Amino acid sequence: KAGVTQTPRYLIKTRGQQVTLSCSPISGHRSVSWYQQTPGQGLQFLFEYFSETQRNKGNFPGRFSGRQFSNSRSEMNVSTLELGDSALYLCASSLATTGGYTFGSGTRLTVV
Amino acid sequence: DAKTTQPNSMESNEEEPVHLPCNHSTISGTDYIHWYRQLPSQGPEYVIHGLTSNVNNRMASLAIAEDRKSSTLILHRATLRDAAVYYCILRDVGEWNDMRFGAGTRLTVKP
Repeated sequence: KAGVTQTPRYLIKTRGQQVTLSCSPISGHRSVSWYQQTPGQGLQFLFEYFSETQRNKGNFPGRFSGRQFSNSRSEMNVSTLELGDSALYLCASSLATTGGYTFGSGTRLTVV
Repeated sequence: DAKTTQPNSMESNEEEPVHLPCNHSTISGTDYIHWYRQLPSQGPEYVIHGLTSNVNNRMASLAIAEDRKSSTLILHRATLRDAAVYYCILRDVGEWNDMRFGAGTRLTVKP
């Protein structure tokens, strides 16, 4: 079966712009989470959605937002990009709260 | 902040067993112990998880201490493809994805 698909794989944006990243979970998975990974901070939890509702949110500014659609696909948006937002953004999906998460390969965002 | 403690790095020889330790002294009764690994240029990959009893799957075994304050991920025969950063994470069954990743253990496998 298809894994978690993230698009695009690579993105270059300019400071001040906004960006939208997309994630398609494994079929049947209703939970989608987003993470930011940087060399300095490691993997940091952004937020999680289940059935179109945000269930949990990490410690990130309001410039970072997301949503989930009725087909479980999710998008995250970062507005007013800063150089420090350059990172690998990872999406993960899960079937249940007690199970493991399957991660996508990520979107590498570079802000110049 | 992460609720687990792992060594920064470990080395192993190819085809030998590897025991990756994790301390989680503040674990609660509803915390599952999850292990993930991340190969270079890839997203994390689920390895195994458990609550109280030892667990086995095709990738690895998870040995959980009786008091649950520590656990060990066991790779029975390390291969070069097992070289990765291994993360031990606690996940409360009652909370939606409270998975906080620490720095993990970087495993090097020598041929």
